[in-house]
Amino acid sequence: AQTVTQSQPEMSVQEAETVTLSCTYDTSENNYYLFWYKQPPSRQMILVIRQEAYKQQNATENRFSVNFQKAAKSFSLKISDSQLGDTAMYFCAFMKGEANSKLTFGKGITLSVRP
Amino acid sequence: DSGVTQTPKHLITATGQRVTLRCSPRSGDLSVYWYQQSLDQGLQFLIQYYNGEERAKGNILERFSAQQFPDLHSELNLSSLELGDSALYFCASSVVGTGNGEKLFFGSGTQLSVL
Repeated sequence: AQTVTQSQPEMSVQEAETVTLSCTYDTSENNYYLFWYKQPPSRQMILVIRQEAYKQQNATENRFSVNFQKAAKSFSLKISDSQLGDTAMYFCAFMKGEANSKLTFGKGITLSVRP
Repeated sequence: DSGVTQTPKHLITATGQRVTLRCSPRSGDLSVYWYQQSLDQGLQFLIQYYNGEERAKGNILERFSAQQFPDLHSELNLSSLELGDSALYFCASSVVGTGNGEKLFFGSGTQLSVL
């Protein structure tokens, strides 16, 4: 079974600064996908970024980028130029690269952006 | 806005009762997923439907059932409710529901409170 661990329960960052959220996972699979989802106070789960395990290049989406270390089974999210709207809970998630696979989520981390 | 619609947004009921949660997927998506988010269990996969048929089952209790209708909307039925069923229930949709890295888009959830 796959497990996703987010060991930091809370983080805080000053507006316009950069912050990195950590995630580690455990799997015996070689083909899989990793995701970061954001859950703001509105409660909606919003897809932030996706990484394919077979790609060495780290995924980027505007101010969001990941540091994917396959050997270390680490998948951190870097948020640059933090904005007040980035205040949310962030979830790391894993999906096997096969049919009918599902998302397995970590416990999440609460990020607060200070003005 | 993800395009996934969930109703109602809030539901308050008593133990032993039965409730129905409704989900309309994004236009063109054939697959619907149900997830439960609680403080102690985090985000847990319940069940997945594809084009009207059950495709995958997760940690869904026998008191819970779901179905997907010909118009592709889905309903999650929760019966003999217990205090521990209080949670945020999410619906998500995807185009074909094959897993394998496919992106899931989540609704805003239904907050269920069992008193």
